[in-house]
This record gives sequence, C-alpha cells and structure tokens, in this order.
Amino acid sequence: AQSVTQLDSHVSVSEGTPVLLRCNYSSSYSPSLFWYVQHPNKGLQLLLKYTSAATLVKGINGFEAEFKKSETSFHLTKPSAHMSDAAEYFCVVSDEGGGADGLTFGKGTHLIIQP
Amino acid sequence: DAGITQSPRHKVTETGTPVTLRCHQTENHRYMYWYRQDPGHGLRLIHYSYGVKDTDKGEVSDGYSVSRSKTEDFLLTLESATSSQTSVYFCAISEGQHEQFFGPGTRLTVL
Repeated sequence: AQSVTQLDSHVSVSEGTPVLLRCNYSSSYSPSLFWYVQHPNKGLQLLLKYTSAATLVKGINGFEAEFKKSETSFHLTKPSAHMSDAAEYFCVVSDEGGGADGLTFGKGTHLIIQP
Repeated sequence: DAGITQSPRHKVTETGTPVTLRCHQTENHRYMYWYRQDPGHGLRLIHYSYGVKDTDKGEVSDGYSVSRSKTEDFLLTLESATSSQTSVYFCAISEGQHEQFFGPGTRLTVL
C-alpha cells in the first residue's frame, strides 16, 4: 500500500523569499513521485517528476524537489517566490507495483504569496 | 492541457436526473481516468480505463458508471444525480502507469 502526506495545508511566504512545501510518502515498491500545481479554476499541471534517476529533480518555473529515500521525503522548493506561484500544490506517489490506478494524491498545500 | 477537453465545463442539474460528462483526448493515450475534487479530500479516483471497452472502479465509484467505445472518448455517467455528487470533475490521461495529464475540469452542481 502507498500513501502520501503533505505536512502543511497552507504555506504563506513573502514575494522573493524561499518556498518549501513538504511531502512524505510510504511505498512498498520503488516509487515514482510527482508534484502537480493547480491554479484557481484550472486543471492540474505537472511541475516535476522523480522516476529513480537523479535524486534532485528540476521542474518548470524554477521549482526543484529532492528525493530522500532515508527520510521518505520529496519536498518541493523554490529559491525566490513570485506572485504567480500562488496556487494549490499536490504531491503524488506511484508504486511500480501498482496498477493503472496506482497514483495516490496528497490532500494539497495552498501556497499564499504575500506582496 | 495536453490535448484533453472536457464537456460541459459547467453544469447545474436537479437531484434524480441523469448526467453525462465527456472527456476527449487527441493524444492517443491508452489510459484515461475520472477524478472528483472536493475540499479537504484532494483528488479521488472514480473510474479508469486501460483500453477500449476496458474499465475498472476506483476509490469512489458508487453512483457512477463509465464507458469507452473509442480510444479518444471516456464518458462518465451519473445515473441519478444526488447533491453529494456536486463537485469538480477532472479527466486525466496517461500512456504508461505513471504521470497523468489533466483536463480543465467540469464543475457540476446538483440542486
């Protein structure tokens, strides 16, 4: 069985400061991990993915995430927040052993950017 | 949105009426999915398809049925809509069993 926990339901940062969105997972297999972003009234857009290659993954819009197996974490970071980063972010895990329905979504972190 | 459209984008209906939502893709991906998104629950899988006429249930399938007669179309039907089915519905596609690409969503209100 797999699960994912996003440790903060809301994160508020000032524009220009670093962003950290935390995600922990559990998986019985070698997982694939993803971060998606959802802007208001929009669909989900893939930010980045980890699929057992480099543990530091670079995504779109300056976001990065580091896969740490020992900590079962996949935290999302960005050095400097922009107002356009305000959105909902979802951490997602997929087991290699899972079927076509093998994606498990976190409940989301709402990122607020203060001017 | 990776060549995925959903129709309608918004719908208001009454309790007890049937409703069908359509997902159309132009990517020729094998897998298609229907999710619902509700505050505090994230996304929950309703049904998915792994090929034409091949479908299976997800986490919250009660009250929903699906059909896939062509690779590009995946229909979600609420046989008799209830207020608890008021939600935002997302279609997604994938080629393998990993990252999925999402449509723009359908906002359904059941009065």
